[in-house]
Amino acid sequence: DIYLTQTPSSLSASVGDRVVITCQATQDIRQNLNWFHQKPGKAPQLLISGTSTLQPGVPSRFSGSASGTEYTFTISRLQSEDLGFYFCLQYENLPYTFGQGTNLEIK
Amino acid sequence: QVHLVQSEAEVKKPGASVNISCKTSGFNFNKYAVHWIRQGPGQRLEWLGQITGGSGNKRFSQKFQGRVSFSREISATTAYMELSSLTSEDTATYYCVRGSSGGPLFVDWGQGTLVTVSS
Repeated sequence: DIYLTQTPSSLSASVGDRVVITCQATQDIRQNLNWFHQKPGKAPQLLISGTSTLQPGVPSRFSGSASGTEYTFTISRLQSEDLGFYFCLQYENLPYTFGQGTNLEIK
Repeated sequence: QVHLVQSEAEVKKPGASVNISCKTSGFNFNKYAVHWIRQGPGQRLEWLGQITGGSGNKRFSQKFQGRVSFSREISATTAYMELSSLTSEDTATYYCVRGSSGGPLFVDWGQGTLVTVSS
């Protein structure tokens, strides 16, 4: 199975900060990676598909990129509504697997 | 508009089975797979498997194969998941999620069903 190591597991940042989360895959996943956001008690929301494609309606402060097997998710200027749980998903191979997630809180 | 509406929360004893339903609407059920994903407390999400609405083809995570089964009722556009031989480690929120027909994967999620396994 492909293992995704997501870091950090938690972070606290201020409104306006730049936030970076990474997912490191154990093998080439050919950019088949999505990023999700989940607010407490809610179902996840897809933010970015295929490494870097922003979903309709998702603010442009969110972005994704890759370098080799390392995938990066960035919030350019953090907003208060961005708090919650973020996680990555690889869909290159079955079983689909997930990063362990990042809990983002606002200072 | 796409909707996936899941059955209510369940409390089960160890060794029991749980059956969760996922009523779908707003898309052609025959052309998509319904995936099942769970989120345990403090655990990373896990993909359990999928069933295709039209053909009924199934794929399973090896971790759950033999303990999980998928079914669907085409006329009711509803998918079902049954997980057997429950232990406390199966305590989690279970989601049904629409698959992809060429577009992004896992856009549409059910609201989740909390399954608590406790003696």
